Amino acid sequence: QFALTQPRSVSGSPGQTVTISCAGTSSDVGRYDYVSWYQQHPGKAPKLMIYDVTKRPSGVPDRFSGSKSGNTASLTIFGLQAEDEADYFCCSYAGTYTWVFGGGAKLTVL
Amino acid sequence: EVQLVESGGGLIQPGGSLRLSCAASAFTFSNYAMTWVRQAPGKGLEWVSAISQTGDRTYYADSVKGRFTISRDNSNNTLFLGMSSLRADDTAVYYCATKSGSGEYYFNNWGQGSLVTVSS
Repeated sequence: QFALTQPRSVSGSPGQTVTISCAGTSSDVGRYDYVSWYQQHPGKAPKLMIYDVTKRPSGVPDRFSGSKSGNTASLTIFGLQAEDEADYFCCSYAGTYTWVFGGGAKLTVL
Repeated sequence: EVQLVESGGGLIQPGGSLRLSCAASAFTFSNYAMTWVRQAPGKGLEWVSAISQTGDRTYYADSVKGRFTISRDNSNNTLFLGMSSLRADDTAVYYCATKSGSGEYYFNNWGQGSLVTVSS
């Protein structure tokens, strides 16, 4: 249903490291270095966490890191904290001013 | 601080029409391309439409092409989304967001969203 494939849920204990994958195709993730990640807490608007695959906006902790290999992008959160519990969505530019999102991954901090 | 405030959502019958607005403040609205992203209840995000800074270029997801119209009024710092022939699967919270600068492809500011419910 969604163009990019993410795991439905991931979990980790405080202080641990978790990685959320985002699988696309050679037409989006594999073609452009324009993958972004958004964090969404319940009832809130999405918040930009990573852009251009690896860049962090000011104010986003350096515990958040992005990467890409082939058609798959990843978001890694180091030193997990309770406030990181949220939904995370990946997004890729798909050319001609269009974008595709993933279905979202629910991160649970145990 | 950048503010985006959506309005115009509500309950509408299938086949009906609705227009959403997004009032922008605290930044130079005319310098930014804008976009609409929606989220069905309990589901993921879906990119819907985008418009260039001047409004001369518009883009749509296949799911809404021919039914939705994006527009903007730079003199009043407002973005619009006209929606017609609405279907149940258009039910969602609709967010407006700023697209990053020229040559960049991410959404750096988001509104709080406006809920559109299509139901008889």
